Amino acid sequence: DAMVIQNPRYQVTQFGKPVTLSCSQTLNHNVMYWYQQKSSQAPKLLFHYYDKDFNNEADTPDNFQSRRPNTSFCFLDIRSPGLGDAAMYLCATSRARAPNEKLFFGSGTQLSVL
Amino acid sequence: AQSVTQPDIHITVSEGASLELRCNYSYGATPYLFWYVQSPGQGLQLLLKYFSGDTLVQGIKGFEAEFKRSQSSFNLRKPSVHWSDAAEYFCAVGPDMNYGGSQGNLIFGKGTKLSVKP
Repeated sequence: DAMVIQNPRYQVTQFGKPVTLSCSQTLNHNVMYWYQQKSSQAPKLLFHYYDKDFNNEADTPDNFQSRRPNTSFCFLDIRSPGLGDAAMYLCATSRARAPNEKLFFGSGTQLSVL
Repeated sequence: AQSVTQPDIHITVSEGASLELRCNYSYGATPYLFWYVQSPGQGLQLLLKYFSGDTLVQGIKGFEAEFKRSQSSFNLRKPSVHWSDAAEYFCAVGPDMNYGGSQGNLIFGKGTKLSVKP
């Protein structure tokens, strides 16, 4: 059974039109992460939540925001998508915020920007 | 600065042949090292990890990796590749806790795509 679920699997949006990607987890993990992965590149961490505490990476553009209304759900909001934001967006969770804690990844949402 | 290099972008091997994927890292202290696999259209799955102790680490799906401090390497190996191993493989190094690195922020290499010939 899927433990980290991302919806939708594919998302198409228009240039400048706000879009929201969702992630849910059944693991009751404290930490939820959002990564951006462009074609043939490594995943890049955008931000993460440790419980309700939001932690933004220094180089994440302001165009990217996130919400975590409860333990199970986390959303990625792109306020004004540009062509350069087309990518796979991966959600991951871990039990605790430590390097020895295994990350559990969802299958990702492939975002296209027209 | 911490970094991970995977020198091979794409490797093709025959089914049943042995496999070695290379990974070199740059790190200021004893690293936490990981190998993840990503099947097409899927998220990443942890194959194995190294924190300390025995330098030869066993993982899932018959994979192993060897940490060599003198060479700053953590190469992934499998003695006999199966067609289902075709995927992209990412080496990653954990954050430097001593320098206040973002916890859980793994530094990934750019990946090696593995193709398997019948």
